[in-house]
Amino acid sequence: KAGVTQTPRYLIKTRGQQVTLSCSPISGHRSVSWYQQTPGQGLQFLFEYFSETQRNKGNFPGRFSGRQFSNSRSEMNVSTLELGDSALYLCASSTGLAGDTDTQYFGPGTRLTVL
Amino acid sequence: AQKVTQAQTEISVVEKEDVTLDCVYETRDTTYYLFWYKQPPSGELVFLIRRNSFDEQNEISGRYSWNFQKSTSSFNFTITASQVVDSAVYFCALSEAPGSSASKIIFGSGTRLSIRP
Repeated sequence: KAGVTQTPRYLIKTRGQQVTLSCSPISGHRSVSWYQQTPGQGLQFLFEYFSETQRNKGNFPGRFSGRQFSNSRSEMNVSTLELGDSALYLCASSTGLAGDTDTQYFGPGTRLTVL
Repeated sequence: AQKVTQAQTEISVVEKEDVTLDCVYETRDTTYYLFWYKQPPSGELVFLIRRNSFDEQNEISGRYSWNFQKSTSSFNFTITASQVVDSAVYFCALSEAPGSSASKIIFGSGTRLSIRP
């Protein structure tokens, strides 16, 4: 069974640009959650999608958005990039809602560098 | 407010020693889940365990064991006979309101564990 895949693995952007990250969950999983990991703030929840609907959102500005497609693949978008958006972005998939499921499976992450 | 505290920033032990990673949480909910994750140097988070707030039984899985005590709001993780491959950052996490649209996972700041050969 293929694991969670994230593309691209590495990305370099400049301030003001926008970026789209992609996450393909494990087949059969309907929930995709996104997390941001930085040395300063640690691991923070961004949002979760379940059956194409955003179920919950963390404390991030509106520049961070996402969506989920009918095949459960998810994308997250960050507009007007700032230096502080440099981070490892992790996505995780699960059969049910992330907070209520037995197991979450994480992808390798996308490392975004904003110059 | 919900909070997860991992007071130990870094721990270094010699291989084969036992080591305990502490996790203290705060929540107003009576129903919640607690988790432990491992993040090896490769960066990919690995789920280790989920514990329901109503189940205070200790859990043992091979060299890993978890001690959940509601009275002290702690969910500690012990590695017995540590190995170099156990070197990683370990995160404790809390999920409130499981099953609801308000459910989300809050992570502690992590404990970096180094096992010296």
